[in-house]
Amino acid sequence: GAGVSQSPSNKVTEKGKDVELRCDPISGHTALYWYRQSLGQGLEFLIYFQGNSAPDKSGLPSDRFSAERTGGSVSTLTIQRTQQEDSAVYLCASSLTSQETQYFGPGTRLLVL
Amino acid sequence: DAKTTQPPSMDCAEGRAANLPCNHSTISGNEYVYWYRQIHSQGPQYIIHGLKNNETNEMASLIITEDRKSSTLILPHATLRDTAVYYCIVRVEKLGGGSNYKLTFGKGTLLTVNP
Repeated sequence: GAGVSQSPSNKVTEKGKDVELRCDPISGHTALYWYRQSLGQGLEFLIYFQGNSAPDKSGLPSDRFSAERTGGSVSTLTIQRTQQEDSAVYLCASSLTSQETQYFGPGTRLLVL
Repeated sequence: DAKTTQPPSMDCAEGRAANLPCNHSTISGNEYVYWYRQIHSQGPQYIIHGLKNNETNEMASLIITEDRKSSTLILPHATLRDTAVYYCIVRVEKLGGGSNYKLTFGKGTLLTVNP
């Protein structure tokens, strides 16, 4: 079946602009996660959605970052007033429940000039 | 979650078995061993996981020692496309609440499959 999809696959933006990254989880998966991976670094947890519960936003690095998940499916990660240090690969994952295996999308490579 | 230790790199000849070790000496009884891999410029790919018993799927086999302090991921017939960074993770799976859903990837093992 279809896996996790993300768009765009690559995004180049200028410092100070806002960007929106999209994630389509695997159908039926109630849990959705956003991670960030900077060059040569490990995964950094950003935010977690589970069903209709309040999201865990504890990993968001600043208030310029926000995310929503509408209708319990598609999620959008928004970065306002982008900075060069925001350049990274943004990865989305989903799982059947929070206790199950997480499956990752291909990521969005963000470059802030 | 328990910390894991993996060698930074390994080489394997194409067609041979690749055996990737992982130490997790502080693993708890309710922590599973997960393996993911990340091929260059792609998202992490789930490979296999297990608790106590050895596991096998279409991609690999997972051998967990009886004391659960270490495990080995086996790719039975490595191909050039198996060149990737392999991550061993331990995480609690059946615990309500908490932060067990936040996956933490270490530096992993860069497996290079040579022709």
